[in-house]
Amino acid sequence: GAVVSQHPSRVICKSGTSVKIECRSLDFQATTMFWYRQFPKQSLMLMATSNEGSKATYEQGVEKDKFLINHASLTLSTLTVTSAHPEDSSFYICSARRDRLAVNEQFFGPGTRLTVL
Amino acid sequence: GIQVEQSPPDLILQEGANSTLRCNFSDSVNNLQWFHQNPWGQLINLFYIPSGTKQNGRLSATTVATERYSLLYISSSQTTDSGVYFCAARNAGGTSYGKLTFGQGTILTVHP
Repeated sequence: GAVVSQHPSRVICKSGTSVKIECRSLDFQATTMFWYRQFPKQSLMLMATSNEGSKATYEQGVEKDKFLINHASLTLSTLTVTSAHPEDSSFYICSARRDRLAVNEQFFGPGTRLTVL
Repeated sequence: GIQVEQSPPDLILQEGANSTLRCNFSDSVNNLQWFHQNPWGQLINLFYIPSGTKQNGRLSATTVATERYSLLYISSSQTTDSGVYFCAARNAGGTSYGKLTFGQGTILTVHP
């Protein structure tokens, strides 16, 4: 199967600090990766789509300067939450798309639980 | 964009029972996936099924693309099947290419 790792799994930080979350596809190359956010008892909401070597595409209402995304290689994408505030506390999940012929299946990382004090 | 609706929102079963979860989508799709989110938040891929029928052990899924729905069947349910089941679909065309849209999920609780 396809494995996506995410690090760290949990982070607690003070308000005003920046937090970087890494997402790696371990056994396949991913031209496209995605970042989602999930609030308790809710569904996943797409924040942005990142393509290797180009700028990320952000969903409406997501602040580009707040959530910096870098997809520097075919196996690594990072999300940096800048100047985090308590309202940024959430569960962040990354996903990588494995493209095989006509099958474009998405696989998900285990998520990062961010708590901003 | 595409709308994805799941039903029922909650389902409570006794161990050993069978169940059917439904996913309706509003437009043609080139990707439809079913996931199980475990208590730790990890999404586990169950099926990639934009059309047709697949089976994997006690689970099976059917997507009727022309009628814009997909069904997930769970037979002989076990307590470990508990969790949230998500359906997610990708529109076959337009500006939303590449983006999976998630339904609201079905919360399944299986009692021993």
